[in-house]
Amino acid sequence: DIQMTQSPSSLSASVGDRVTITCRASQDISNYLAWFQQKPGKAPKSLIYAASSLQSGVPSKFSGSGSGTDFTLTISSLQPEDFATYYCQQYNTYPFTFGPGTKVDIK
Amino acid sequence: QVQLVQSGAEVKKPGASVKVSCKASGYTFTRYFIHWVRQAPGQRLEWMGWINAGNGDTRSSPTFQGRVTITRDTSATTAYMYLSSLRSEDTAVYYCSRGPTLTTLDSWGPGTLVTVSS
Repeated sequence: DIQMTQSPSSLSASVGDRVTITCRASQDISNYLAWFQQKPGKAPKSLIYAASSLQSGVPSKFSGSGSGTDFTLTISSLQPEDFATYYCQQYNTYPFTFGPGTKVDIK
Repeated sequence: QVQLVQSGAEVKKPGASVKVSCKASGYTFTRYFIHWVRQAPGQRLEWMGWINAGNGDTRSSPTFQGRVTITRDTSATTAYMYLSSLRSEDTAVYYCSRGPTLTTLDSWGPGTLVTVSS
């Protein structure tokens, strides 16, 4: 299986900060990468697919980049509703696998 | 609007089976896939499989060693996930998610908690 790692595992940030989360795949996955946001006790929300394409309705403060094995999710100006855990997922190879998550909390 | 409504929480004994349903509305059910993803307490998300709601084709993760079966009822616009030979490690929240393709996910159901305990 393709192993997904994320860094950092958690971070503290302030409202208005620019935040970047990194995701790495154990082998080349081209751009077959998605990002999800999850708040405590809630279902995940789809943010990005194909590494950089925003899902419908997702604000443009979220952006994704990367290809091959290294990817990033950037939140340009953190707002209170953005405090959550973020997961990356590869869908290049079965079984699809997720990263361990990055928890973004308030500084 | 797209809505996925899942069945209620379940408590099962080890060795039993569970069926979780996912009723879709707000879109043409047969034009999309339904994926199943689970999350054990404090753990990462885990992809389980998908069904093509149009033709019924399925694909499941080998992680589950044949214990997962995904079906759908097009007249009821509902997908089902069966998990057999339950063990304590299967305690998790099970989510269904709509897939525009067999790889991507967009809308998610609220989740169904399955607890496996003797």
